Amino acid sequence: EDQVTQSPEALRLQEGESSSLNCSYTVSGLRGLFWYRQDPGKGPEFLFTLYSAGEEKEKERLKATLTKKESFLHITAPKPEDSATYLCAVLANQAGTALIFGKGTTLSVSS
Amino acid sequence: GAVVSQHPSRVICKSGTSVKIECRSLDFQATTMFWYRQFPKQSLMLMATSNEGSKATYEQGVEKDKFLINHASLTLSTLTVTSAHPEDSSFYICSARDQGRNYGYTFGSGTRLTVV
Repeated sequence: EDQVTQSPEALRLQEGESSSLNCSYTVSGLRGLFWYRQDPGKGPEFLFTLYSAGEEKEKERLKATLTKKESFLHITAPKPEDSATYLCAVLANQAGTALIFGKGTTLSVSS
Repeated sequence: GAVVSQHPSRVICKSGTSVKIECRSLDFQATTMFWYRQFPKQSLMLMATSNEGSKATYEQGVEKDKFLINHASLTLSTLTVTSAHPEDSSFYICSARDQGRNYGYTFGSGTRLTVV
């Protein structure tokens, strides 16, 4: 069964304190790994898609990396506005066309 | 970029009534749309996949007669919660797949349904 596990569930950082969020996956053939940001009461907002091990993508203070078993979302010098829930999702061969989501990591950045 | 509009954003209804939620892709054609349900502090759980012009495919445990999905055009899918009960209260989110962008999945802003 395809599974996506995110850790930690919650993360509290001071402004400027860099850290990483983890997404480990077990899927029958990975077609893509997605990172989304979700603010309370809102739908997920797209951040990155990674397709193959070794791939990296960056956007402002965020950098996503991918290996054959996991993905990391690195947050460099976070600001309070980075506070949100970060969701990881995979598109697997046997999942049809729907994304399979992890439970998310809720990030709180205090000033 | 791709935009998906979902309405209403919030709705309160009485037990036993039906509620319709609309999901529109504004600037692209979506042959496939998805409906998710999210409980507080939980992840998105796929309810069903709808393809334009055909019947939706429901996930195990999702009642087809309760959650009616219609995908009559390439830009519109609707979810109707029939005979709503308080346990149907949840956050419903739609997603549309942009065939023009490789594996592009865009989400609506969600609908908070409260059944009283």
